[in-house]
Amino acid sequence: DVKVTQSSRYLVKRTGEKVFLECVQDMDHENMFWYRQDPGLGLRLIYFSYDVKMKEKGDIPEGYSVSREKKERFSLILESASTNQTSMYLCASSSVRSSYEQYFGPGTRLTVT
Amino acid sequence: EDQVTQSPEALRLQEGESSSLNCSYTVSGLRGLFWYRQDPGKGPEFLFTLYSAGEEKEKERLKATLTKKESFLHITAPKPEDSATYLCAVHPITGTASKLTFGTGTRLQVTL
Repeated sequence: DVKVTQSSRYLVKRTGEKVFLECVQDMDHENMFWYRQDPGLGLRLIYFSYDVKMKEKGDIPEGYSVSREKKERFSLILESASTNQTSMYLCASSSVRSSYEQYFGPGTRLTVT
Repeated sequence: EDQVTQSPEALRLQEGESSSLNCSYTVSGLRGLFWYRQDPGKGPEFLFTLYSAGEEKEKERLKATLTKKESFLHITAPKPEDSATYLCAVHPITGTASKLTFGTGTRLQVTL
């Protein structure tokens, strides 16, 4: 079974704090993704990575950065958290070998106060 | 621009009352269409991949079908445990190879 884990299920941070969200997958997938999910807006892609140290911007990268130093780990960084970044953050991974089916982690509910 | 539209936004069924969810899409070329199930407070769970018009996939009470413009998720004799949000996503041929475009989902509630 594919397993994607995220470092926290719930997180509360203050405005201006630097926030790290970590994601680990155990299936040797090449691709990893960070999404945010908001009511009425669906899943929106923030960043993705198709290889170690490679990254590409998604649809809403502003205010975020990412790091992929190892194949299994993909980190999302909020450089200076703001209240409009309160959301559910979902990590996913996929493989070219499995026709790009994406497998998701359980999500991190981030609240910025 | 690639677009995915799901309808209805919400659906309430009684146990045993079969129905279908719709996912219509606009892409320049389709590499694959995916269905996911998402329970409240959890990440989406992969259900099916469809590749070409006429293809069908089944899993328990769920059957997904694909045409050139839309996909249906048929739910036969649903049970309360089928209550969830069902998401549809497309993988277009053009653009970045790995990216999926998601719809906003259909919230399904099955009552006794």
